[in-house]
Amino acid sequence: DTEVTQTPKHLVMGMTNKKSLKCEQHMGHRAMYWYKQKAKKPPELMFVYSYEKLSINESVPSRFSPECPNSSLLNLHLHALQPEDSALYLCASRGTSGGSYEQYFGPGTRLTVT
Amino acid sequence: GENVEQHPSTLSVQEGDSAVIKCTYSDSASNYFPWYKQELGKRPQLIIDIRSNVGEKKDQRIAVTLNKTAKHFSLHITETQPEDSAVYFCAASKGGTSYDKVIFGPGTSLSVIP
Repeated sequence: DTEVTQTPKHLVMGMTNKKSLKCEQHMGHRAMYWYKQKAKKPPELMFVYSYEKLSINESVPSRFSPECPNSSLLNLHLHALQPEDSALYLCASRGTSGGSYEQYFGPGTRLTVT
Repeated sequence: GENVEQHPSTLSVQEGDSAVIKCTYSDSASNYFPWYKQELGKRPQLIIDIRSNVGEKKDQRIAVTLNKTAKHFSLHITETQPEDSAVYFCAASKGGTSYDKVIFGPGTSLSVIP
């Protein structure tokens, strides 16, 4: 199973709302990523978790708060977002042993901030 | 840090012709180079990858070549079909560790004209 799942598929939220994005994988991968993607642009790295610890934060505003409750789950908590935060949010996972290099993406959450 | 450039930004070919997309990278320590295909509204999908100890890799109509000395790699698609139309992203990373980033090129929008 090489599947990464994400919920919800679509999310519309106001600038004062609090919401969460969820990501799950059961491939035993110990590195998980959050990316933000605008239309016709490459995925832009936000956070990397390795062995459930935050290892990379690409200077993301504090209105985005990641959480890794266990090795299979990754959350992104959203609060007081701005309209320019509207984008496709992609989760990805990657193996960290046995010479594994491939990164697998989830289907994404299409976020609209009104 | 790593920087990946990609050319052309748009490419239009007749069905049955070949398509070539070229990328260059800056960090000589990068050792893993994946290519992703992203159809409109969908997740990036890994289509082929190459590691730095290999000069060429082929999978049916798709091939990738790597020139480590020149720090460039290319995607070749032969006998193109309309379903090959998508945005293609090259990427580079230091694969095999849990903390490494995957740096994406800006993308190439490929259109295959029936």
